[in-house]
Amino acid sequence: GENVEQHPSTLSVQEGDSAVIKCTYSDSASNYFPWYKQELGKRPQLIIDIRSNVGEKKDQRIAVTLNKTAKHFSLHITETQPEDSAVYFCAASKGTGFQKLVFGTGTRLLVSP
Amino acid sequence: DAGITQSPRYKITETGRQVTLMCHQTWSHSYMFWYRQDLGHGLRLIYYSAAADITDKGEVPDGYVVSRSKTENFPLTLESATRSQTSVYFCASSPGTSGRIFQETQYFGPGTRLLVL
Repeated sequence: GENVEQHPSTLSVQEGDSAVIKCTYSDSASNYFPWYKQELGKRPQLIIDIRSNVGEKKDQRIAVTLNKTAKHFSLHITETQPEDSAVYFCAASKGTGFQKLVFGTGTRLLVSP
Repeated sequence: DAGITQSPRYKITETGRQVTLMCHQTWSHSYMFWYRQDLGHGLRLIYYSAAADITDKGEVPDGYVVSRSKTENFPLTLESATRSQTSVYFCASSPGTSGRIFQETQYFGPGTRLLVL
């Protein structure tokens, strides 16, 4: 089955710096890659997603890139702010219609003022 | 976010007891899911349901039972709780097919923190 690895497990940056979180997946048939943000004590919430027919997607300060050949995708956060501090999870699924999401183990991002 | 709720939010129980965690959504989403979240493991799927009376196993189903008699409810039962089931449990729902579009975004509930002594 699908396996998703996520790195780094923790990431500390200064406010205003950029942050990059990387994930690799094992199943070349995977075609949907969402990213969830979970603030301390809160529920995970979708922040951005990408499908395999697109190489990059941006939404204000966040972007996701996908490299299908290498089977990895990354989350990029620019001009980080303290409120970006949270745990970020990547996930992957394959096929059309419903497919189960397989999550990475999470990255704890700490943005220091 | 108020559209998906979980109860109780916190639960302490003893080994061997039966525990039921409730999940309710008001969006009429087709799909519902149960995940457990543990340090170092991220979110792992326990069970999911595509519609009322349709359920299937996820990655870690052992020791758990689910049912879905109504679209809006998806209870998770631990038949005989064990300490290894101490975790934070999240319920989620997803719209599924809407017209010609399949919407797969999952919306999570607030979570239930379960401690098994």
